[in-house]
Amino acid sequence: DAKTTQPTSMDCAEGRAANLPCNHSTISGNEYVYWYRQIHSQGPQYIIHGLKNNETNEMASLIITEDRKSSTLILPHATLRDTAVYYCIVRVEGSGGSNYKLTFGKGTLLTVNP
Amino acid sequence: NAGVMQNPRHLVRRRGQEARLRCSPMKGHSHVYWYRQLPEEGLKFMVYLQKENIIDESGMPKERFSAEFPKEGPSILRIQQVVRGDSAAYFCASSGGTSGRADYNEQFFGPGTRLTVL
Repeated sequence: DAKTTQPTSMDCAEGRAANLPCNHSTISGNEYVYWYRQIHSQGPQYIIHGLKNNETNEMASLIITEDRKSSTLILPHATLRDTAVYYCIVRVEGSGGSNYKLTFGKGTLLTVNP
Repeated sequence: NAGVMQNPRHLVRRRGQEARLRCSPMKGHSHVYWYRQLPEEGLKFMVYLQKENIIDESGMPKERFSAEFPKEGPSILRIQQVVRGDSAAYFCASSGGTSGRADYNEQFFGPGTRLTVL
């Protein structure tokens, strides 16, 4: 799987949009971009994933650049409960290989301030 | 729909004792993964199991660690003769599979078991 680079930490004001960047310059054509988050003392929680088109669900939006070398996770209206470590992961989908291995780096600690 | 369940949530053992961690996957899931998170670190893959089969244990330490997922009952991660370095959070995840649709592969995580070795 390709390596990702994320800032160590970010702050955001409650109610504002939180934009979390991720660089994955060596991503392969068949690798998806996944985002998980881990609230303190809990297991990782899946947020969203995408291949090349922008994606949106009830939790967040994922913007992937045209060259797919970077992406941004957007939490449109951050709340205090969104304070967590956010992990950007790239992985291959489909059968074969070891694509089931999620490789978590250190992620970005997002702190939402009142 | 119950999520992935792990127990116990907290486990304290003295050096040399055995630790048994249990994981019940989400309903309908037949694939289980174990990850370990050392303090201040990201999660690291340990082992991937299907019912009665170990598919990939490349992330497991060679000694003292074993995992199983029997036909009936939860998956068990067993650590024999625990040492202080085994203190960590152990997370279990489950999925419907590993191939085909991306959402079928998605791994859902349990709350973890925090092992403390005295």
